Amino acid sequence: GDSVTQMEGPVTLSEEAFLTINCTYTATGYPSLFWYVQYPGEGLQLLLKATKADDKGSNKGFEATYRKETTSFHLEKGSVQVSDSAVYFCALSDRSGSEKLVFGKGTKLTVNP
Amino acid sequence: DAGVIQSPRHEVTEMGQEVTLRCKPISGHNSLFWYRQTMMRGLELLIYFNNNVPIDDSGMPEDRFSAKMPNASFSTLKIQPSEPRDSAVYFCASRGQPYTEAFFGQGTRLTVV
Repeated sequence: GDSVTQMEGPVTLSEEAFLTINCTYTATGYPSLFWYVQYPGEGLQLLLKATKADDKGSNKGFEATYRKETTSFHLEKGSVQVSDSAVYFCALSDRSGSEKLVFGKGTKLTVNP
Repeated sequence: DAGVIQSPRHEVTEMGQEVTLRCKPISGHNSLFWYRQTMMRGLELLIYFNNNVPIDDSGMPEDRFSAKMPNASFSTLKIQPSEPRDSAVYFCASRGQPYTEAFFGQGTRLTVV
């Protein structure tokens, strides 16, 4: 079945450091890919998305590129801020299979001043 | 639009009691998801509906859990009887089109003592 694998956390960085959170997926068809962010005590919010190969999603300085050849959708940011501290989830929705929205386990990011 | 609305935000109940969680999806959305989030298991999909019809309930833990969607603007998740291991944050999410992003509510934090 469909699945998403994220790098294990937690990740701790200093302000202005470069961030990469790895995400790889397994899908029977051709999925849409998403990154969500969850701040403490809140629900998940969509951060960015990509719907086809080589698409780049971007928002708030975060980017991720849909790589079909490596089945990956890694999240990057060039310079993190303390306010980016949160849990980040990679997710997919497979177009040729079930309509489920499948999530990875999440990666907790802490950014120190 | 007010977004996905869940109630209550917090629920504390005694083991053996019935618990009902409620969700109002975004108007016009025709898919609704119930997720459970714990530290141990991360974000688990319990059940999802399309056009008020349950499509996949394979994630429902056991017969103590049931979910209904009597109309397009309301869904419930019921646990009867509740057990301490049911303690978690329960999220409802809705989606307007297949394979697109879902929008999450703020969640209900359930504590069973």
